[in-house]
Amino acid sequence: RKEVEQDPGPFNVPEGATVAFNCTYSNSASQSFFWYRQDCRKEPKLLMSVYSSGNEDGRFTAQLNRASQYISLLIRDSKLSDSATYLCVVRRAAGNKLTFGGGTRVLVKP
Amino acid sequence: NAGVTQTPKFQVLKTGQSMTLQCAQDMNHNSMYWYRQDPGMGLRLIYYSASEGTTDKGEVPNGYNVSRLNKREFSLRLESAAPSQTSVYFCASSAGSSGNTEAFFGQGTRLTVV
Repeated sequence: RKEVEQDPGPFNVPEGATVAFNCTYSNSASQSFFWYRQDCRKEPKLLMSVYSSGNEDGRFTAQLNRASQYISLLIRDSKLSDSATYLCVVRRAAGNKLTFGGGTRVLVKP
Repeated sequence: NAGVTQTPKFQVLKTGQSMTLQCAQDMNHNSMYWYRQDPGMGLRLIYYSASEGTTDKGEVPNGYNVSRLNKREFSLRLESAAPSQTSVYFCASSAGSSGNTEAFFGQGTRLTVV
């Protein structure tokens, strides 16, 4: 089983709609969690960190469920510019190891 | 404001050739990473260095070696390139092991082995 798993998609989303997807992780020692965005195989860039109590950044909401070992990302009022691959990242404190999921592709259409 | 710099940006190698991918960061980060990304896949960790003087294997270390030359630089070496190593390689760095420290990436090296 992969350490970090994501639904590859694509999620085809009408402009203005809401989309949500999850990421599961297998190592309970995982300490920190992030969502990164990647465009057309350019370098990934941080979208948001995920905090235990859940957090929001504009139209983006991230949640963490430690008991079930998953994190989620919700995008409200989707824009065409939200089309990208969203990468889940899990950090293990030991060695500061960062492990990526395979990515979830989102396509927002007019 | 350079951040993470990778060289070269593109490279074509013949099977069996060797090469070193260079990575340098100017953010005084402790940890550095090498990933590869194949079409339609996420980033897979090759090697990482939690701090200067230490290196550890990731998911896919076979066929690669690394050197953490100093705090700034972390190089990846392919001793005998194979077509299966055709990929995009990303170097990244992060501050350390406390808190939600963000990783910053270089622009990638697109390597083709023929």
